[in-house]
Amino acid sequence: GQSLEQPSEVTAVEGAIVQINCTYQTSGFYGLSWYQQHDGGAPTFLSYNALDGLEETGRFSSFLSRSDSYGYLLLQELQMKDSASYFCAVRGSGANNLFFGTGTRLTVIP
Amino acid sequence: DGGITQSPKYLFRKEGQNVTLSCEQNLNHDAMYWYRQDPGQGLRLIYYSQIVNDFQKGDIAEGYSVSREKKESFPLTVTSAQKNPTAFYLCASFDRGRTEAFFGQGTRLTVV
Repeated sequence: GQSLEQPSEVTAVEGAIVQINCTYQTSGFYGLSWYQQHDGGAPTFLSYNALDGLEETGRFSSFLSRSDSYGYLLLQELQMKDSASYFCAVRGSGANNLFFGTGTRLTVIP
Repeated sequence: DGGITQSPKYLFRKEGQNVTLSCEQNLNHDAMYWYRQDPGQGLRLIYYSQIVNDFQKGDIAEGYSVSREKKESFPLTVTSAQKNPTAFYLCASFDRGRTEAFFGQGTRLTVV
């Protein structure tokens, strides 16, 4: 089966940098994704890592270490609008299987 | 524009009643998923389908049923056997060759 662990809550100051970690266990691994969800809304895709290393997309970066079954999402220059829940997700065995972590609620304070 | 559409946005169910949530996509994706989200919680997988006429149970399939008669459509029925159905339901689709899953805007189901 699959399991993913994330911190449940993180608080950070506007303009700062925050890192949200994700550890996973899965039978078969194709990649780790990150999604953002504002209250009452649908999750939206942020990034995807299939190989080890850092992927950068604007203020957001995502890192993967397959040997450690670990990844993180790095948000820089935090803005108030970044307050949301962030989910990591793995594509596991079966190619199209997509399982989500329990999510990290990020609160950005002035 | 391509996308994934869920309806209705809000749904009220009486005790003992079956209700069906609609999910339609025009993205030509093979894989479709149903998730349940409770307040402040993550996404739990109910059912998924990787191809027409085939679907698999997820972690919390009891009390739910699905069908996949067309590639574009993956309706979810919440049966009377689901004792605590009040939740936010999200449908998603995914293309095998891509990395991004697309979500509908969700259906908020409330038992009255």
